[in-house]
Formats: sequence, C-alpha cells, structure tokens
Amino acid sequence: KAGVTQTPRYLIKTRGQQVTLSCSPISGHRSVSWYQQTPGQGLQFLFEYFSETQRNKGNFPGRFSGRQFSNSRSEMNVSTLELGDSALYLCVSSPIPQRGVNTGELFFGEGSRLTVL
Amino acid sequence: GNSVTQMEGPVTLSEEAFLTINCTYTATGYPSLFWYVQYPGEGLQLLLKATKADDKGSNKGFEATYRKETTSFHLEKGSVQVSDSAVYFCALAFTDKLIFGTGTRLQVFP
Repeated sequence: KAGVTQTPRYLIKTRGQQVTLSCSPISGHRSVSWYQQTPGQGLQFLFEYFSETQRNKGNFPGRFSGRQFSNSRSEMNVSTLELGDSALYLCVSSPIPQRGVNTGELFFGEGSRLTVL
Repeated sequence: GNSVTQMEGPVTLSEEAFLTINCTYTATGYPSLFWYVQYPGEGLQLLLKATKADDKGSNKGFEATYRKETTSFHLEKGSVQVSDSAVYFCALAFTDKLIFGTGTRLQVFP
C-alpha cells in the first residue's frame, strides 16, 4: 500500500509570494490533517479535512488555507509569504479522524520543506 | 490550556547507555499519550502509546508509563543503539488532533 505522498518535497519562495502544497493520502483514507514543523515550535496543527469539509482548525492566520477534493487529496495554500513561514509542512492521513487521533495511528508524509527568502 | 513540554536536546549518548527523555503534560481530563519518532529524512512514526493512567506503552525496547499524579510520560530505553538516533516527540490527543512537544533530538555514538 503506497504511503502518504507530498509534493513538492522542497521549494524556495520569496516574501510576498504564495505557495500551494499537495498531499495524497493513503488509499481509502478520508481524513487529512496538516501540521507545521519548526525547530523552535515543534509541530503545530494547521487544519484537518474529512470528506471535503474542514473539521478542525488551528491558530494560524487566514493566510493559511486548505481544501480537500473528492478523491481525498488535499492542498494547502499560504499567501503573502513571510520569513517565519519557513518550515516543514507535514500531511497526515488516517481512515477517519477520531480513530486516528485516539489510537495515535496516523500516517505521516515526509513533508514539504518550504524556505522563504 | 492543553500542552506538552519536553526536555530540550540534543541528548548525546554512547551506544548501550540508558536513555531517559522527559515529557510532562497539561490537560483537561485524561488524554491518550504518545511518543513519535522521526528518523532522518522520514515522516513521523508512532513509537508507543498509553491510553489511561498507569498504562505502560512499549515498543522496540522503549517504554513509557502514563503517570497521572506527576502528569508525565517519560520515554526510557535500557540500552540505546546508533540506529536509535532520531528526533522524538511526545504528544497528547485533544479534540481530534494531536498536541506535540517541541521534540528532542537523540544522537547515539558508537
């Protein structure tokens, strides 16, 4: 069974630009979450999608947005990039939201590393 | 609010040394607790978990006990190997999402 696929793996942008990151969850999984990982803050929850609907949202500004498609693939977008947005963005796949979180059996992608210059 | 605090790293050990990585939490109620591991260039993987007080999670020689009285979930291993070098994250489950600590990097030298 293929794992969680994130693209692109690495990208460099400049301040003010916008970026779109993509995630394909494990086949059959309908829940996709996104986390931002930075050295100082660890992993911070961005948002979660299930069946094309946002179920949960973290404390990030409106510049961060996401969506999920009918095939469960998800994208996240960051507009008007700031230097502080440089991070590893992780996509997490699970069959259904509650089961994954309660059991810890979440499947992480390798991440998209964004550098903002 | 709900939060997780981990000891800062890096933790540097020689092979076969004893490992402890401290983790304490603040939470309403009694959340499930987890340790995740991130090997270089890979995604996070669940290492072990405990769902209620006094539960002990274990996997690959690692152990952690859910201590309600001290709100702790310290990770231990009796004899580390070079292959254990990774970043370790403590986490708790809260309202359908995980709250992570900042991670502790472990470096094991031969």
